[in-house]
Amino acid sequence: GAVVSQHPSWVICKSGTSVKIECRSLDFQATTMFWYRQFPKQSLMLMATSNEGSKATYEQGVEKDKFLINHASLTLSTLTVTSAHPEDSSFYICSATDRYGRGEQFFGPGTRLTVL
Amino acid sequence: DAKTTQPTSMDCAEGRAANLPCNHSTISGNEYVYWYRQIHSQGPQYIIHGLKNNETNEMASLIITEDRKSSTLILPHATLRDTAVYYCIVRSLLYYGQNFVFGPGTRLSVLP
Repeated sequence: GAVVSQHPSWVICKSGTSVKIECRSLDFQATTMFWYRQFPKQSLMLMATSNEGSKATYEQGVEKDKFLINHASLTLSTLTVTSAHPEDSSFYICSATDRYGRGEQFFGPGTRLTVL
Repeated sequence: DAKTTQPTSMDCAEGRAANLPCNHSTISGNEYVYWYRQIHSQGPQYIIHGLKNNETNEMASLIITEDRKSSTLILPHATLRDTAVYYCIVRSLLYYGQNFVFGPGTRLSVLP
């Protein structure tokens, strides 16, 4: 199946700093990518939908100025957590849909963010 | 998207078949049933999906009832590595850019 990578796989940062997470579709073109957040023992919650070449669409309650999303190409989307705080510590997962596929989403391995 | 209901948790003996049920009584005609699983601290993994016919691949089989109001994911010979949270999701393919809505899923524990 199609492969989605994320980098880094884990990151620890100090409160107030910014962290960038990359999501790449390795062997297919993804017009749309999605960013999810998952807290311990909870399910995935959609944060935003990222479309190549346009502004991301954020879910209600997700601050767009805090979680900056850029989808500059058909294979790369980035999520930047600005001025991170301990409550932003979570597991961040991206997914992508193959523009020529059957509609299934392929998920990245996730990025574990810990803010001290 | 139609909502789904799944048991919170299930146990299965290693080597036996694991049958995971899912109810989706409000599913509409253009909605597919997808199954994903998430092993601890990893991203979700696609397993299988179907519309109305039963489907089988190298990982699992999907049995959808004739009225499409429920389905069962079958792992024919469960191994310890199949221990994970399994998500049943219903989504229309008409909306290409639409995300998947994850419920709490079923936590499957495969026991030695």
